[in-house]
This record gives sequence, structure tokens and C-alpha cells, in this order.
Amino acid sequence: SAVISQKPSRDICQRGTSLTIQCQVDSQVTMMFWYRQQPGQSLTLIATANQGSEATYESGFVIDKFPISRPNLTFSTLTVSNMSPEDSSIYLCSVEDQVDEQFFGPGTRLTVL
Amino acid sequence: SQQGEEDPQALSIQEGENATMNCSYKTSINNLQWYRQNSGRGLVHLILIRSNEREKHSGRLRVTLDTSKKSSSLLITASRAADTASYFCATISSGAGSYQLTFGKGTKLSVIP
Repeated sequence: SAVISQKPSRDICQRGTSLTIQCQVDSQVTMMFWYRQQPGQSLTLIATANQGSEATYESGFVIDKFPISRPNLTFSTLTVSNMSPEDSSIYLCSVEDQVDEQFFGPGTRLTVL
Repeated sequence: SQQGEEDPQALSIQEGENATMNCSYKTSINNLQWYRQNSGRGLVHLILIRSNEREKHSGRLRVTLDTSKKSSSLLITASRAADTASYFCATISSGAGSYQLTFGKGTKLSVIP
């Protein structure tokens, strides 16, 4: 299974600022996914990031608010822009392996004051 | 909208007992995956079961899938305090190029020593 790391593991940010979350995988993968988990809730897919193309966003999520980069096959970033307290969540990246299993990073716990 | 619905939402058992969690979903699927999440951390992949499989085992875990009823169950035998966590099912819908995981709301399992 892929080993995934995320930075930072947690952060406390002020309203109106932006935070960039990094996701690093120990092997080359075609697709990387970004999820959000609001407090006490399940996971919701934000977007799918393929290397060399624009990310594909799910309904309710827009590029201006959650810009994503995918510069190579092992790395991706998600930025949470112009944050408000409603953005307080755990943000997780995931990848899919050759047998369709999806593995998740440890998550970034974001608190917006 | 969320694909899966787990029940029960919360389950409390004594150490050594078996724990059964159920998941129902709405559309045809390629596969169903079960995850564990400890205290709001990252998700740990437990097991994947494909639509043409009926049962899979992994250690103390047993997963069943009934596609006619659009349901799955996760059985943890001889539970331990360390099994205390939230458990989620997630499905990938059938169809070419489907890769999006749709999560259920989760079951919060408490194993009392």
C-alpha cells in the first residue's frame, strides 16, 4: 500500500488568511484526491487532481476557494483560501492503487478563528 | 448526497464480544471499502470487497456483501479496546472510469475493557 504524508498535521489560522496543505506519496500515482471532513461528519470529496491537467471539482467546491496543484506524480497541494470558521475541518488526501483500494494520508486538522 | 448509511450510528460492547456494523447503499457499485478512523485522525483502509464477491476475511475482520439488498456488514470478532474507533463504509459506483469514493456516515464503536 502507498505511504502518504501530509503537512502540516494541524494548524490554527485567522479568518481571511490562506493555508496550503501538502500531500506526498512514496510512489507514483495517477490520481490524487482531496477530501474534507467537517466536525462530527463523514468525508466529502473536494476534487480530483491529475498530473498535467486541471483538477476536477465536485459540486459545491470551486477553484478560487480551493486551488490545487499537481506538479508531479508524487505530490499535490490544496490551498484553503480566504478562510472562515466554517472551513474548520480535517482535510485528507488519498490515492488509489492498482487494485482500486484508496489509501489516505493522516489528515490536516484546520481550525479557523 | 451520501451513498452509504451505516447502522448503528453508535455501538458499545465489552472487550471480547463481537461487533457487527451494517452499511446500505443506493446505486450499483464496483466495490465497497471499509475504513477505520481513530479520534479524528487519518483513515486506515481495512478491506475492499468487489461487487462479484460475497464474503472476505482479514484477521479478525469479516465483511459480507449482498448486492441484491445493496448492503454490507463488517464483523469484528473478539473485540479489543484498541478497536475503539469510527468505522466507515465507502463505495465506488459502477461505470467506466468511476473512482470517486462515496462515504457513509459512520459507526462509532466503543469497546469497554
